[in-house]
Amino acid sequence: DTAVSQTPKYLVTQMGNDKSIKCEQNLGHDTMYWYKQDSKKFLKIMFSYNNKELIINETVPNRFSPKSPDKAHLNLHINSLELGDSAVYFCASSQGPRTGAEAFFGQGTRLTVV
Amino acid sequence: GDSVTQMEGPVTLSEEAFLTINCTYTATGYPSLFWYVQYPGEGLQLLLKATKADDKGSNKGFEATYRKETTSFHLEKGSVQVSDSAVYFCALSWKTSYDKVIFGPGTSLSVIP
Repeated sequence: DTAVSQTPKYLVTQMGNDKSIKCEQNLGHDTMYWYKQDSKKFLKIMFSYNNKELIINETVPNRFSPKSPDKAHLNLHINSLELGDSAVYFCASSQGPRTGAEAFFGQGTRLTVV
Repeated sequence: GDSVTQMEGPVTLSEEAFLTINCTYTATGYPSLFWYVQYPGEGLQLLLKATKADDKGSNKGFEATYRKETTSFHLEKGSVQVSDSAVYFCALSWKTSYDKVIFGPGTSLSVIP
């Protein structure tokens, strides 16, 4: 069983569209994250949720809205997509940094905005 | 603020060469330290970790020692293989807050036969 799974793996869409990326973890972890990886492989945290509660919201345009229906899911909805949103988006989970635990990553969603 | 710095890549080595990728961090408190690896087209995988000073993490021939006095966690491998070609990320997380896992910028490694 995949520990952290994201769908879709690839997403090609036009500017101005709204799209969602889904993430699920079956590890029983309390904390989930969304990271954005740019073309130079730099990883930037976008959001962090702990037990469905938003903990971290970095300087991300409000077109990006995370939703956590339960502890095992953290979805990312993006409104009015722009060319600069093209990147690979990674979902991750961990027991929580409070324990100093490592994060487990999904395979990534490559978003291309045309 | 808290951050992780890595040596810039790309790094190109011949097979069986010795590898060192430097990593230093700035953080308040006592973070746990990690090395992650990202193979082409894949997500990040934990390679090794250390949770306190002087701990040595090791896996698949890679090693790194948590050096609090120099705030470093350098990655080493005695003899690299072509299959080690990947991007390597140094990272840290704290034990005292629900905070984020912070990653370094990544170092791309290419091993040629």
